[in-house]
Amino acid sequence: GDSVTQMEGPVTLSEEAFLTINCTYTATGYPSLFWYVQYPGEGLQLLLKATKADDKGSNKGFEATYRKETTSFHLEKGSVQVSDSAVYFCALRGSMGDMRFGAGTRLTVKP
Amino acid sequence: GAVVSQHPSRVICKSGTSVKIECRSLDFQATTMFWYRQFPKQSLMLMATSNEGSKATYEQGVEKDKFLINHASLTLSTLTVTSAHPEDSSFYICSAPLEGFSYEQYFGPGTRLTVT
Repeated sequence: GDSVTQMEGPVTLSEEAFLTINCTYTATGYPSLFWYVQYPGEGLQLLLKATKADDKGSNKGFEATYRKETTSFHLEKGSVQVSDSAVYFCALRGSMGDMRFGAGTRLTVKP
Repeated sequence: GAVVSQHPSRVICKSGTSVKIECRSLDFQATTMFWYRQFPKQSLMLMATSNEGSKATYEQGVEKDKFLINHASLTLSTLTVTSAHPEDSSFYICSAPLEGFSYEQYFGPGTRLTVT
């Protein structure tokens, strides 16, 4: 079945450091791919998405490119801030609309 | 924007009792809603798909008699944990797509269930 494999954390960075969180997927067909963020004590929020190969999703300085050839959707940000500290989930949308999530990566950004 | 609410946000119950969790789509109708379970520091695991007007579809390994789902209307789905046990303690999250199978999913804030 469809699945997502995500880089395990936790990840600790200094402010203004470069962030990469790896995500690869296994799916039949051409799924839509997502990154969600969960801040402490809050629900999931959509960070960005891409619906077809070579699409780049971007939001709040974060980017991820849908790479069909490597079945990847790595999340990147050039300069992280303390406020980016959260748990990040890579996900794909299954054929029935259900979401399959990666394990989540906890990011802590220190001043 | 589209919002999904859950009630209650937290609940503590005694072992053997049943607990009902509500998931509501605000300002939009959802013929399909999804229920997830999140263990501490782990990912969300899909439990079941709630379908308005028909039976829910459960993921493999999820006991349908223990986790009763009722999609009462186009804006409300309920998850009832029956005869709860401590191992059912978890964070339960629902989601709803904005339009049918639109890829835009909206997640509720979650319900933390603690069974003592």
